[in-house]
Amino acid sequence: GESVGLHLPTLSVQEGDNSIINCAYSNSASDYFIWYKQESGKGPQFIIDIRSNMDKRQGQRVTVLLNKTVKHLSLQIAATQPGDSAVYFCAENMDSNYQLIWGAGTKLIIKP
Amino acid sequence: DAGVIQSPRHEVTEMGQEVTLRCKPISGHNSLFWYRQTMMRGLELLIYFNNNVPIDDSGMPEDRFSAKMPNASFSTLKIQPSEPRDSAVYFCASSRGDEQFFGPGTRLTVL
Repeated sequence: GESVGLHLPTLSVQEGDNSIINCAYSNSASDYFIWYKQESGKGPQFIIDIRSNMDKRQGQRVTVLLNKTVKHLSLQIAATQPGDSAVYFCAENMDSNYQLIWGAGTKLIIKP
Repeated sequence: DAGVIQSPRHEVTEMGQEVTLRCKPISGHNSLFWYRQTMMRGLELLIYFNNNVPIDDSGMPEDRFSAKMPNASFSTLKIQPSEPRDSAVYFCASSRGDEQFFGPGTRLTVL
């Protein structure tokens, strides 16, 4: 079946460096993509989203890139901080019922 | 706004007992989702409601699981009888568009 998947289960980054978390999706009909951050002991929290008519969107220290040609989504975090340590999930929306299809998650570890 | 509220935050019960998890969505949100999260299976959608009506319950594991949404401000997820493999963190989320807002979760342990 079609699903969202993540390339790397764990990513270690030096504090202050930039992080890039990748995600692949298989459904070319998906028109909405979203990144969530989940800290230990908490529920997932929205970070940033992007629609399929865009290829880049920027937030505060975060940028999401969408490459529809290769069905690839990435989350870039600039100048990572200890508070960025979490599991990051990508998700896609394939219909109009707001049901999200979730990836497996990538654990981001910030090294001091 | 207080956000999505879930209770209890932690539940420890014995196999065979009935478990009821509760959720209060954010006021004004018309969609509500129940998820289960485990290390082995990750985040799984169990069921979601739109305007208090169950739209898709294909993620509900088996007949032991049931969910209700009697009104726009309250939903329950019931497991009866509970089994050790039901141990997980159960999240409720609500939305009125694409972004889903998650509650803090209920950590369920079935002994």
